[in-house]
Amino acid sequence: EVQLVESGGDLVQPGGSLRLSCAASGFTFITYSMNWVRQAPGKGLEWVSYISSSSSAIYYADSVEGRFTISRDNAKNSLFLQMNSLRAEDTAVYYCARERYDSGGTSFDSWGQGTLVTVSS
Amino acid sequence: QSVLTQPPSVSAAPGQKVTISCSGSSSNIGNNYVSWYQQLPGTAPKLLIYDNNQRPSGIPDRFSGSKSGTSATLGITGLQTGDEADYYCGTWDSSLSAVVFGGGTKLTVL
Repeated sequence: EVQLVESGGDLVQPGGSLRLSCAASGFTFITYSMNWVRQAPGKGLEWVSYISSSSSAIYYADSVEGRFTISRDNAKNSLFLQMNSLRAEDTAVYYCARERYDSGGTSFDSWGQGTLVTVSS
Repeated sequence: QSVLTQPPSVSAAPGQKVTISCSGSSSNIGNNYVSWYQQLPGTAPKLLIYDNNQRPSGIPDRFSGSKSGTSATLGITGLQTGDEADYYCGTWDSSLSAVVFGGGTKLTVL
């Protein structure tokens, strides 16, 4: 069974940093591209970042470019999101999402349960 | 303001059919595949449709997807109370080099 388990969410002050982790199991992690998607309280989905299977391609949403860094450790089946210079508008549930392998486009076929990041003083 | 436009809400009676629209532009829907997600209250999103009209295994054929030009549509037939959820469309935007989602549509089964 595919499992994605996020961790690392917390209450942090504006300007602070946080590192999110996503532990993957039940599939061959090294063959899949991965993403982070967030959802502010009561709001819709917002894509945050993408990383290819080999880390050779990385993309960010404009709203986090220069502040967030996505990475992965294929040996440990783990995905990460380093979040710096956090702002109140970064408050959201952050989901780790697997990109469907055989899709011609971009689709996320497995999601974690999410981890809550709250940025507030 | 989302790049993709969806109606905020739709409603229909049990057993009926409903459609949810998703409008974009040539840089996103017009030249890329569309996916659809269902988010039940308090849970993570779930993939319903990928590549415009393909259903992952386990998704009933009551759910269907289509695309025409710069718009896409999700159809749900035989509505059940368990279908009450938020539905999102998503695709790649070639101009933004980013994944974009619609603002979401809340489905109420009356």
